[in-house]
Amino acid sequence: EAGVTQSPTHLIKTRGQQATLRCSPISGHTSVYWYQQALGLGLQFLLWYDEGEERNRGNFPPRFSGRQFPNYSSELNVNALELEDSALYLCASSSRQLTNEKLFFGSGTQLSVL
Amino acid sequence: AQSVTQLGSHVSVSEGALVLLRCNYSSSVPPYLFWYVQYPNQGLQLLLKYTSAATLVKGINGFEAEFKKSETSFHLTKPSAHMSDAAEYFCAVSPSGSARQLTFGSGTQLTVLP
Repeated sequence: EAGVTQSPTHLIKTRGQQATLRCSPISGHTSVYWYQQALGLGLQFLLWYDEGEERNRGNFPPRFSGRQFPNYSSELNVNALELEDSALYLCASSSRQLTNEKLFFGSGTQLSVL
Repeated sequence: AQSVTQLGSHVSVSEGALVLLRCNYSSSVPPYLFWYVQYPNQGLQLLLKYTSAATLVKGINGFEAEFKKSETSFHLTKPSAHMSDAAEYFCAVSPSGSARQLTFGSGTQLTVLP
C-alpha cells in the first residue's frame, strides 16, 4: 500500500512568487492536513481538508490557501512568498474513523525562498 | 487551549545509554498524548499514544512513556540507545484523541554517539 506522497521534494522560489505543493493521501483516507515545519519552530498546523472542504486552518495569513480534489488529493498554495516561508511542508492523511484515528505523514516538500 | 513543551531542543547520548526525552503538557481536560519520530528525510511516524487506559505506554522500537498527572509530564524513555534511534522526536497533545486536533511541541533532536 502506498503511503502519503508529496511533490515536489524540493522547491526553490524567489520572494513574491507563488508556490504550489501537492499531496496524495493514502488510499481510502479522506482527510488531509498540512503542517509547516520551520527551523526551530516545530510543526505548526496550517490547514485541514475533509471531503473536499476546508474544515479548519491554523494561525497563518490568507496567502496560504489550498484545496482538496474529488480524489482526496490536495494542493497547498502560498502566494506572495516571503523569506520566512522557507520551511519543510508536511502533508498527513487520516481516515474518517473518529476513534483511534492516526495520522500518516508524507516526507515533505522543502520550500526555499530566496 | 492545550500545549506541550519539550525541554531540550538537542539531546546527545552514548550508544547503550538511557534515552530520556522530556515533555510537559498543559490541558484543561484529560489529554491524549502522543510521541512521533521523524527520521532524516522522512515524514513523522507514531511511536506511541496515551489514551488513559494505562499510565505506562509501550511503543515501537523499545520506547515507552509514562503519563504523570501530578507532574503534567509524558517523558519518553528507552533503556539502551541504538545508533538507529538518532532522529527528531515530537510530543503532541489532543483534547479528544483525534488526530485532527493535534498540537505539536517544538521537537527534540536526538544524537546517539558511538
